Amino acid sequence: ETGVTQSPTHLIKTRGQQVTLRCSSQSGHNTVSWYQQALGQGPQFIFQYYREEENGRGNFPPRFSGLQFPNYSSELNVNALELDDSALYLCASSLGVGALPSGYTFGSGTRLTVV
Amino acid sequence: GEDVEQSLFLSVREGDSSVINCTYTDSSSTYLYWYKQEPGAGLQLLTYIFSNMDMKQDQRLTVLLNKKDKHLSLRIADTQTGDSAIYFCAEKGDSSYKLIFGSGTRLLVRP
Repeated sequence: ETGVTQSPTHLIKTRGQQVTLRCSSQSGHNTVSWYQQALGQGPQFIFQYYREEENGRGNFPPRFSGLQFPNYSSELNVNALELDDSALYLCASSLGVGALPSGYTFGSGTRLTVV
Repeated sequence: GEDVEQSLFLSVREGDSSVINCTYTDSSSTYLYWYKQEPGAGLQLLTYIFSNMDMKQDQRLTVLLNKKDKHLSLRIADTQTGDSAIYFCAEKGDSSYKLIFGSGTRLLVRP
């Protein structure tokens, strides 16, 4: 059983550019959540996708958008990058939106640096 | 509102016990969690407690929950150098789809 895989692991972008981050959910999981973890902070919820639909969203502007595909993998897209978008982006997958804590699996993250 | 707070730093000697504390504000929290994050890595679920419990023990880990004071603690017995990491407290409501995390407590274990 594979875990959650995120790509790329590291990325450097210029302010104003666009970026796409990818997440492959754990086998059997149909729900993907994205979190942003700024340096020295805890993860902040961005949004969740369940069966290809956005199921909930945190306090992030519309330039943060996402997709979930039929195989339940997911993308996070950020447009018009700002310096404050520099962070570790974490993806977590689960089976259903009300999964038990032990069923919620995090990937190792993508470290995005905006210069 | 939803808020989770933790102290920033804890230093202990190897072999001692560590106690990491957390307070939260959401009285509808159903589950409370402790995650561990090592440098350059994602989040590893250490343990969790359901809100109708007041204690949970799992090998070297003991979680205490005071629901009245909205206070959660994680005790690590016989702390080892491999326990050095950042520890995050998080909470989730019954009808919520998201985890609310604290800012993390950096645990340093001195030889």
